[in-house]
Amino acid sequence: KAGVTQTPRYLIKTRGQQVTLSCSPISGHRSVSWYQQTPGQGLQFLFEYFSETQRNKGNFPGRFSGRQFSNSRSEMNVSTLELGDSALYLCASSRRGGSEAKNIQYFGAGTRLSVL
Amino acid sequence: DQQVKQNSPSLSVQEGRISILNCDYTNSMFDYFLWYKKYPAEGPTFLISISSIKDKNEDGRFTVFLNKSAKHLSLHIVPSQPGDSAVYFCAASAQTTGTASKLTFGTGTRLQVTL
Repeated sequence: KAGVTQTPRYLIKTRGQQVTLSCSPISGHRSVSWYQQTPGQGLQFLFEYFSETQRNKGNFPGRFSGRQFSNSRSEMNVSTLELGDSALYLCASSRRGGSEAKNIQYFGAGTRLSVL
Repeated sequence: DQQVKQNSPSLSVQEGRISILNCDYTNSMFDYFLWYKKYPAEGPTFLISISSIKDKNEDGRFTVFLNKSAKHLSLHIVPSQPGDSAVYFCAASAQTTGTASKLTFGTGTRLQVTL
């Protein structure tokens, strides 16, 4: 079974630009969550999408947005990039459901974004 | 406000010995805890989890202990192997509040297993 796939793996952008990152979840997983990892703040939750709807949101500005498609694939968009947005962006998928096992999140390898 | 804390940034253990990684949390709503291992340039890999209704969960060489009254959990790796060298993250979620997908992570502990 294929794992979580994130594209691209690396990205270089300049301040003010926007960027779109993509995530394909594990087959059968309908929930996709996004996280930002930086040396200073560690791993922080951005948002979760399930059934094409945002279900949970972390404490990030509105420049960070996402969406989910009917096949559960998800995209994350960051507009008006700032230097501080340089980070590893991780996507995780889960089945999402009543049992704890269904809520275990499995991560992709991430997209390393550098903002110059 | 760091709700999940891993106070030891690094730990060095000899091969074959026990590795003990610790994690403390402050949010009483957390009811599900997970440990992830992360190698450089890879995403976190799920290791083991524990629900707040249990105090121990075992999976092969990995055992997680939960002390709810102390808001403390620990991961034991026995015996430690060189391939265990990685950064270990503790994570917590509040499943009963509908935010099971929102994992709060600790800052990680870098484990080095020496020969």
